[in-house]
Amino acid sequence: QSVLIQSPSASGTPGQRVTISCSGSSSNIGSNIVSWYQQLPGTAPKLLIHNDNQRPSGVPDRFSGSKSDTSASLAISGLQSEDEADYYCAAWDDSLKGHVFGTGTKVSVL
Amino acid sequence: QVQLVQSGAEVKKPGASVKVSCKASGYTFNSYGITWVRQAPGQGLEWMGWISTYNGDTNYAQRFQGRVTMTTDTSTSTAYMELRSLRSDDTAIYYCARGSACLYSGSCNWLDPWGQGTLLTVSS
Repeated sequence: QSVLIQSPSASGTPGQRVTISCSGSSSNIGSNIVSWYQQLPGTAPKLLIHNDNQRPSGVPDRFSGSKSDTSASLAISGLQSEDEADYYCAAWDDSLKGHVFGTGTKVSVL
Repeated sequence: QVQLVQSGAEVKKPGASVKVSCKASGYTFNSYGITWVRQAPGQGLEWMGWISTYNGDTNYAQRFQGRVTMTTDTSTSTAYMELRSLRSDDTAIYYCARGSACLYSGSCNWLDPWGQGTLLTVSS
């Protein structure tokens, strides 16, 4: 079972800002790097954010990540229809000695 | 470009085994770890384990210990994941992914890129 908790869904109209939260603990988010992945329908996950808040080349600057203590957030500003996808946070867990993923958030563009 | 290409879909009966391959290209294979992740239908992502392409060290998730074996063939830049004693709840898409900063330990900082996924269906 996932140890990183995300809200199941988020939505907004085109152009709006949407924020997704990811709640963990001291053994994962609190002590390790957070990454975020976007999974478009029927495709493999794609790295969206690494090192808590860094965007790989090619990822629009509409996507931003942040971290505070044992929680992390992903913000999508200027929401676009192509942003409809599932989003997952992830981090290494020192106690479980494994990579843990969030429960996933489905973003809908109204 | 950097990419991971996985083997095709599989259909297996309960109790059987499956071996999924993941061929890397566009980078030096033995400079990055490989992680395996699975996704059951309509569910989230589940980490299965990691293998060092440098020395073959592995780290498996507790729930797969004894049922999974991850290996690599550096001569063909290919990673493999074998899962045994298959059950119906092993039906899922299996992904390989290149791990950053985890050549010597399983604590990857991030996973990029991912393979396209291999659908495994376990049914009698």
